[in-house]
Amino acid sequence: EIGMTQSPATLSVSPGERATLSCRASQSVSKKLAWYQQKPGQAPRLLIYDASTRATDIPARFSGSGSGTEFTLTISSLQSEDFAVYYCQQYYNWPPWTFGQGTKVEIK
Amino acid sequence: EVQLVQSGEVVKKPGESLRISCKGAGYNFTNSWISWVRQMPGKGLEWMGRIDPRDSYTDYSPSFQGHVLISTDKSINTAYLQWRSLKTSDTAMYFCARRLGMATDAFEMWGQGTLVTVSS
Repeated sequence: EIGMTQSPATLSVSPGERATLSCRASQSVSKKLAWYQQKPGQAPRLLIYDASTRATDIPARFSGSGSGTEFTLTISSLQSEDFAVYYCQQYYNWPPWTFGQGTKVEIK
Repeated sequence: EVQLVQSGEVVKKPGESLRISCKGAGYNFTNSWISWVRQMPGKGLEWMGRIDPRDSYTDYSPSFQGHVLISTDKSINTAYLQWRSLKTSDTAMYFCARRLGMATDAFEMWGQGTLVTVSS
């Protein structure tokens, strides 16, 4: 099973600032990595797939990069609606597909 | 509207059985695998398993193999997650999700979630 480790656990950011979230895989997942946003009481929402492709209707301020074992989600200018928990997920090697433990982006 | 609609919140006792559902609407249900994802209270996401609605082929995470059963009834565009004997540790929110494409197991669409509470 591939382990996914996200850092930091919590990120405190002011609105308008840039946020950088990291995800590390215990072995290479090529570019088979997705990022999700989850707000309290809601289902996750797909932001990025294949490491860097934005999903439908996702704003351009969200971008993904990386390959192999190191990945980054960048939110270029945080809006109020972006404060949430973010998860990465690998879909390279199964079973099972695995998620990171999440990074909470909170208002500074 | 294209969506996955899940059955409602449920409260059960340990040892009881349960089946929750996930109905696809607005798209060809057999075109995309459905996965189930668990989220325990205050915790992260765990992939449980998936099913191909065309032929009911299933894959399970080793962590859930033998404890849950995933099935589908394509005639009514519905996937199911089933337990024979619930434990208190099964208390969680359960999501169904549809993958993006044949080569991409990122989940582009999610159900609203079903909260399962198991308590004596």
